Amino acid sequence: DGGITQSPKYLFRKEGQNVTLSCEQNLNHDAMYWYRQDPGQGLRLIYYSQIVNDFQKGDIAEGYSVSREKKESFPLTVTSAQKNPTAFYLCASERGAGELFFGEGSRLTVL
Amino acid sequence: GENVEQHPSTLSVQEGDSAVIKCTYSDSASNYFPWYKQELGKRPQLIIDIRSNVGEKKDQRIAVTLNKTAKHFSLHITETQPEDSAVYFCAAAYYMYSGGGADGLTFGKGTHLIIQP
Repeated sequence: DGGITQSPKYLFRKEGQNVTLSCEQNLNHDAMYWYRQDPGQGLRLIYYSQIVNDFQKGDIAEGYSVSREKKESFPLTVTSAQKNPTAFYLCASERGAGELFFGEGSRLTVL
Repeated sequence: GENVEQHPSTLSVQEGDSAVIKCTYSDSASNYFPWYKQELGKRPQLIIDIRSNVGEKKDQRIAVTLNKTAKHFSLHITETQPEDSAVYFCAAAYYMYSGGGADGLTFGKGTHLIIQP
């Protein structure tokens, strides 16, 4: 059963801690994306990767980092430099011709 | 970069009536315009999309229209039903059909559609 899996679904973090959100896909898609969703703000692009070992900053990359060592995996690290990290994070892969297929999301809360 | 404006932010309609959500975009190079539906606590899912070589596309009760000259596109839902209640997002991107994918979609801020019984 092909899909895109994000974990954990819920995560709590103390201020000053780095956290890593996992995103794994078995769809054989080349391109993968990370979006942040805040109430009333839509989805904003954090980072994207169109191919293994390559990635580009999106509109709100400050305080975040990513890696793309394998085609299937695109983890996102929320660093302590991110001023307001509490949000819903969505990972997506490109199904083809621009269409994005999203994971179920990870909700990060900073205590 | 691209900027997408979406209106209204909230839309309440009677069950059975039609709903229209409008978006404008800024980058004339954009050529791909999808619409996503997000139910509460769920992932966004593509419901319909349109590319710049067509002006209208329909799929049962939903349709999308595109005016490239004016740089706006709209989602039309007819005969609304309770299951249409959700947040709808429009988006825009430049997609290279020769390969290389898209540099990510730019989304509008969303429209909360409420279907009144």
